[in-house]
Amino acid sequence: EVQLLESGGGLVQPGGSLRLSCAASGFTFSSYVMSWVRQAPGKGLEWVSSITGSGGTTYYADSVKGRFTISRDNSKNTLYVQMNSLRAEDTAVYYCAKKGSTTVTTGLGNWFDPWGQGTLVTVSS
Amino acid sequence: EIVMTQSPATLSVSPGERATLSCRASQSVTSNLAWYQQKPGQAPRLLIYGASTRATGIPARFSGSGSGTDFTLTISSLQSEDFAVYYCQQYNNWPLLTFGGGTKVEIK
Repeated sequence: EVQLLESGGGLVQPGGSLRLSCAASGFTFSSYVMSWVRQAPGKGLEWVSSITGSGGTTYYADSVKGRFTISRDNSKNTLYVQMNSLRAEDTAVYYCAKKGSTTVTTGLGNWFDPWGQGTLVTVSS
Repeated sequence: EIVMTQSPATLSVSPGERATLSCRASQSVTSNLAWYQQKPGQAPRLLIYGASTRATGIPARFSGSGSGTDFTLTISSLQSEDFAVYYCQQYNNWPLLTFGGGTKVEIK
């Protein structure tokens, strides 16, 4: 069974930093694009960032570019996101998600399945 | 960026009735569209990908249709466990993946 388990959320002051982790199991982690998707309280879903299976290429939403860094450790089956210069508008539940398709072409089949249970990040003074 | 617009924002339906949810893309996404269900306090769950293919374990009462810019998720006979928020997502414009704003299906 594929499982994704996020950790690292919490309360942080504006301008602060936080690193989230997502421990994966039940599949060949290094073969899949992995992503972070967030959901502000009471709001919809927003794609944040993705990383190729090798970790060699990363992608970011404009809203986090230059502040967030996605990475992965395939030896530990773990996905990360380092979040710096946090703002109030970054307050959200952060989900990690696995690429749903088994196609090896990075740009194809990028629906999300499954999702982790999420970890809440609150940016407030 | 491709903007995804879902309608209606809220749909009130009685158990056993049919629910029809709409998702429109600001430009063609061909068939690269997925639907998710999200219940309160839970992560989204994949229902449909490729506009019309049900994900593993999804009941046959869920069906998706459409291509290009207009898509529909139909729940043929609503069960109590189907009352939730539903999101569409386009994955045609990689890596700029975008979601619709959601449709809440509530009990009438």
